[in-house]
Amino acid sequence: AQRVTQPEKLLSVFKGAPVELKCNYSYSGSPELFWYVQYSRQRLQLLLRHISRESIKGFTADLNKGETSFHLKKPFAQEEDSAMYYCALSGRLVYSGGGADGLTFGKGTHLIIQP
Amino acid sequence: KAGVTQTPRYLIKTRGQQVTLSCSPISGHRSVSWYQQTPGQGLQFLFEYFSETQRNKGNFPGRFSGRQFSNSRSEMNVSTLELGDSALYLCASSPNREGRRQETQYFGPGTRLLVL
Repeated sequence: AQRVTQPEKLLSVFKGAPVELKCNYSYSGSPELFWYVQYSRQRLQLLLRHISRESIKGFTADLNKGETSFHLKKPFAQEEDSAMYYCALSGRLVYSGGGADGLTFGKGTHLIIQP
Repeated sequence: KAGVTQTPRYLIKTRGQQVTLSCSPISGHRSVSWYQQTPGQGLQFLFEYFSETQRNKGNFPGRFSGRQFSNSRSEMNVSTLELGDSALYLCASSPNREGRRQETQYFGPGTRLLVL
C-alpha cells in the first residue's frame, strides 16, 4: 500500500531562517509527488509538483528515490509562508478501478514563521 | 474562471440520516474527486469520477457513494450516518488532459458535516 509520512505536525522557525519540511513516501512503482498548501481561511492549493522541477514562492523539492523522500525547502522563510503543508503522492490505490489514480496525502505539517 | 464550488458549506445531521453533498467543478474540468478530512485521519481519498463513471475508489464503506452528471457536476451521498462521519468533505477537479496520471487538483472550500 502507498503511504506518505510527514513526521512533524508542527514546525516553528524564525523569519529569515531556512525551512525544511520532511516528506517520506512508500510506493512500489514510479510515484508522482506534490506539495499542497493551505493558508489561513483559504482552500487547499497546489504549491509544486516534482515533475515540473520548478521553484514556487522560493520553495523547492527534490525527489530522492533512494531515500524515498520529497522534502520541501526554502532558504529564507517569510512570515507569509505560515500555513499548513501537505505532501501528496499520486499512484495506484489498493481499490483502484483501473482508471485515474487518487492522491494519498500525508497528515500535514503546520509551519509557523515567527517574526 | 470560477473555482470549484461546493454546497452546502455547513450541514448538521443526526445518526441514521442520509446526506447529499454537491460539487461543481471548474468549467471544462471533467474529473472530480472527493476527499474526507478529519483531525485524526487527515485527508483521505473517497472516489473519483470522470465522464459520469467512477474510475477509482478509496477504502470507504458502501454507505459512501457518488455520481457525476453530464455537465461534470458531482454529488456524493452518505447513508445511515454515523458519528464518525463528521468531517470536512472536499471536492477537487482537474482537466485530466494527461490521461491516467494525476494532474494538479483544484480544491473547493469543502462542506463541513456534523453528525449528532
